[in-house]
Amino acid sequence: EIVLTQSPGTLSLSPGERATLSCRASQSVSSSYLAWYQQKPGQAPRLLIYGASSRATGIPDRFSGSGSGTDFTLTISRLEPEDFAVYYCQQYGSSPQLTFGGGTKVEIK
Amino acid sequence: QVQLQESGPGLVKPSQTLSLTCTVSGGSISSGDYYWSWIRQPPGKGLEWIGYIYYSGSTYYNPSLKSRVTISVDTSKNQFSLKLSSVTAADTAVYYCARLRITMVREYYFDYWGQGTLVTVSS
Repeated sequence: EIVLTQSPGTLSLSPGERATLSCRASQSVSSSYLAWYQQKPGQAPRLLIYGASSRATGIPDRFSGSGSGTDFTLTISRLEPEDFAVYYCQQYGSSPQLTFGGGTKVEIK
Repeated sequence: QVQLQESGPGLVKPSQTLSLTCTVSGGSISSGDYYWSWIRQPPGKGLEWIGYIYYSGSTYYNPSLKSRVTISVDTSKNQFSLKLSSVTAADTAVYYCARLRITMVREYYFDYWGQGTLVTVSS
């Protein structure tokens, strides 16, 4: 099973600042199989990024994804008030099996 | 616009079987580009994939839950269902149904989610 480790656990930033979230896999993951989601309290997760770097429909361009192999990054270029939430990475692996990272909470400083 | 809606009991007794149904609207569950999935989230914790099913009936389960999980599909009703047997308090969670999309270049991601339903395991 591929384990995804997200860091930091919590990121305290102010609106307008840049957020950099990390997702590290225990073994190499195909970029096609890596996605990012945003979850706000009481809501279902929302797809942000798929294929490691492709934005989902309707997602603002301040969100970007990058990385390959075992290291992937979600960047929010300038935080808007509505961006404070929990972010999860997810991978699809062989077997098949799907796993999520433990999440990074982006909170207002 | 595709919509998914979970339904089922919100309270299940320990050792019993949890049963949920997901109704899909705005699109056909028989489309070949998707797997239909269940995911859960214990209160205050992260997301755990339970399993998914193709419209043909092929299923794939999380190995950690495989012995207790059954996912089925009813294409005539555009629904798919989850059964989780021998539940304990550790199975208390918000249960989501979601659509797993598979693209031409073999990208896999959940593009539509239900709102989620809280299932509590308690006597």
